[in-house]
Amino acid sequence: GAGVSQSPRYKVAKRGQDVALRCDPISGHVSLFWYQQALGQGPEFLTYFQNEAQLDKSGLPSDRFFAERPEGSVSTLKIQRTQQEDSAVYLCASSPIMRMNTEAFFGQGTRLTVV
Amino acid sequence: AQSVSQHNHHVILSEAASLELGCNYSYGGTVNLFWYVQYPGQHLQLLLKYFSGDPLVKGIKGFEAEFIKSKFSFNLRKPSVQWSDTAEYFCAVSILTGGGNKLTFGTGTQLKVEL
Repeated sequence: GAGVSQSPRYKVAKRGQDVALRCDPISGHVSLFWYQQALGQGPEFLTYFQNEAQLDKSGLPSDRFFAERPEGSVSTLKIQRTQQEDSAVYLCASSPIMRMNTEAFFGQGTRLTVV
Repeated sequence: AQSVSQHNHHVILSEAASLELGCNYSYGGTVNLFWYVQYPGQHLQLLLKYFSGDPLVKGIKGFEAEFIKSKFSFNLRKPSVQWSDTAEYFCAVSILTGGGNKLTFGTGTQLKVEL
């Protein structure tokens, strides 16, 4: 597709349930980022991939959060044993190369509500 | 670590009024600066960016921003707003680290333009 695609758009999970969020970046984009946007806040960095390599996971809030990009294209963000504070919009972004002067293209996000 | 401050959380303007949204960042090194816009129900879109060169940057839809290095500021301006500019605006900064070109966002400014 022409842009970054995320699925599902909305997810309601019961507390304690595991969830998996998918991101299809723009074809050929090397860099892929996950961000978390809580209500009323700006997006906050979670993790970064260059191709299949996860080079930075410093923003993952706990070991319940796990991300992968096994073939260097589609990425999945998994949250185990969800808690209410995980409720947020999860944004995926991609950019063509890892270089200083590039911009990131964002998907529409997945809104996760933990009840 | 770098941070971004947006001073106005909610702004209400009448059509044709002038707009200026403040953005300050803290980081002593080389940065890229961005303004992203999020229209209701849509994904984050790039409004404009500054990488280097002329500190006055022009973006889409008549927006511009000025990078003032001495003030660590990158304020967004538009001479005459339209109802369709109603959206949330995010200032962001990126630095190139081993973890890629990740973005640090401000908390956002919700702009409402009234007819």
